[in-house]
Amino acid sequence: EAAVTQSPRNKVAVTGGKVTLSCNQTNNHNNMYWYRQDTGHGLRLIHYSYGAGSTEKGDIPDGYKASRPSQENFSLILELATPSQTSVYFCASGRQGLFSNERLFFGHGTKLSVL
Amino acid sequence: QQKVQQSPESLTVSEGAMASLNCTFSDGTSNNFRWYRQHSAKGLEVLVSIFSDGEKEEGRFTAHLNRANLHVSLHIREPQPSDSAVYLCAVSIPNNAPRFGAGTKLSVKP
Repeated sequence: EAAVTQSPRNKVAVTGGKVTLSCNQTNNHNNMYWYRQDTGHGLRLIHYSYGAGSTEKGDIPDGYKASRPSQENFSLILELATPSQTSVYFCASGRQGLFSNERLFFGHGTKLSVL
Repeated sequence: QQKVQQSPESLTVSEGAMASLNCTFSDGTSNNFRWYRQHSAKGLEVLVSIFSDGEKEEGRFTAHLNRANLHVSLHIREPQPSDSAVYLCAVSIPNNAPRFGAGTKLSVKP
């Protein structure tokens, strides 16, 4: 079973502070994703990556940056955290198929509260 | 931008009765459809994947896809209280990131 590990599991930040959420996968998947989950919105795509050195904007990238320094690691960075970024963040990884992406493997989520 | 909508928002069924969940999508070039289950804000587990019109069965879970109608559904046969969870529909266009619906919260009463 593919393993995706997120850290920290819980984080309390102050408005205007910098927050870094980390994600590590050990299955050599090409693709990695960051989603946030809020009541009534399901999972919304923030940033994703096709491999080391690449990052792509998702549907709600404003206020977030992403970094993929290696195949295994994908970080989400909030340079100036705001209360509206309070949410549960999920990282996922998946293999790139020939014509489509394969199933995603999810981490257990990071609960972020910005006060 | 792909729009994925799920209905109903919540559903309560009795143990053993069929549960049916719906998902509509906006992009007709979508070719990759999955149903995930999430227990209490934990990680997601995939239940069934479907890529062509028709049905796909995985144990008690069956997905039906009708791309012309932009519709994919999930049917859970003989649901149990342990199936109580949020069910999420994920849709992808070719070689693009999956987009998710808002989910259906299923409650199964003993």
